[in-house]
Amino acid sequence: AQSVTQLDSQVPVFEEAPVELRCNYSSSVSVYLFWYVQYPNQGLQLLLKYLSGSTLVKGINGFEAEFNKSQTSFHLRKPSVHISDTAEYFCAVSSMNSGYSTLTFGKGTMLLVSP
Amino acid sequence: EADIYQTPRYLVIGTGKKITLECSQTMGHDKMYWYQQDPGMELHLIHYSYGVNSTEKGDLSSESTVSRIRTEHFPLTLESARPSHTSQYLCASSEFGENTEAFFGQGTRLTVV
Repeated sequence: AQSVTQLDSQVPVFEEAPVELRCNYSSSVSVYLFWYVQYPNQGLQLLLKYLSGSTLVKGINGFEAEFNKSQTSFHLRKPSVHISDTAEYFCAVSSMNSGYSTLTFGKGTMLLVSP
Repeated sequence: EADIYQTPRYLVIGTGKKITLECSQTMGHDKMYWYQQDPGMELHLIHYSYGVNSTEKGDLSSESTVSRIRTEHFPLTLESARPSHTSQYLCASSEFGENTEAFFGQGTRLTVV
């Protein structure tokens, strides 16, 4: 079975400051990792994904994430946040289970950017 | 831009009513999902489908049912709505395979009074 742990339910930060949203996963097989963002009253939108290759993945809106297999982590970072980055962020893992792939989400981290 | 649509966006309905939440995608994806999202924002998978005539229950037990008669359509039905069904319901779809991203609709916010 696979699981995703987002260590912070809420991260407050000032505008233009750097931010890191933490994500750890557990899985007994190879995984594919995703970060999604959800703005108020909207569905989820893909920020970035790790499938293979370089462990540093760049996404939309200036976000990036680093896959660390030994620490089973996939933390999301942005060097300078904007007010408009205020949203809920979800880490997700996809892996095979009994011949079918399933997508498991973490509980989400609310990023609160203030002026 | 993702081509997956949910209707209605908002629904307020009385206890005991039967409701169907619609979800359609135009991307030809085989896989479709329904998630229930708590007020605290956590997502719970309640149903999924790998193709026409395939439906499976997800991790969270739900009194709702789904059908997949056409590839593009994956409606969710509650035969008798209750206040405990009040939640946001998100539909998603993806191509077959474990390394493919899921595309989400904008969600239906259901309130049962």
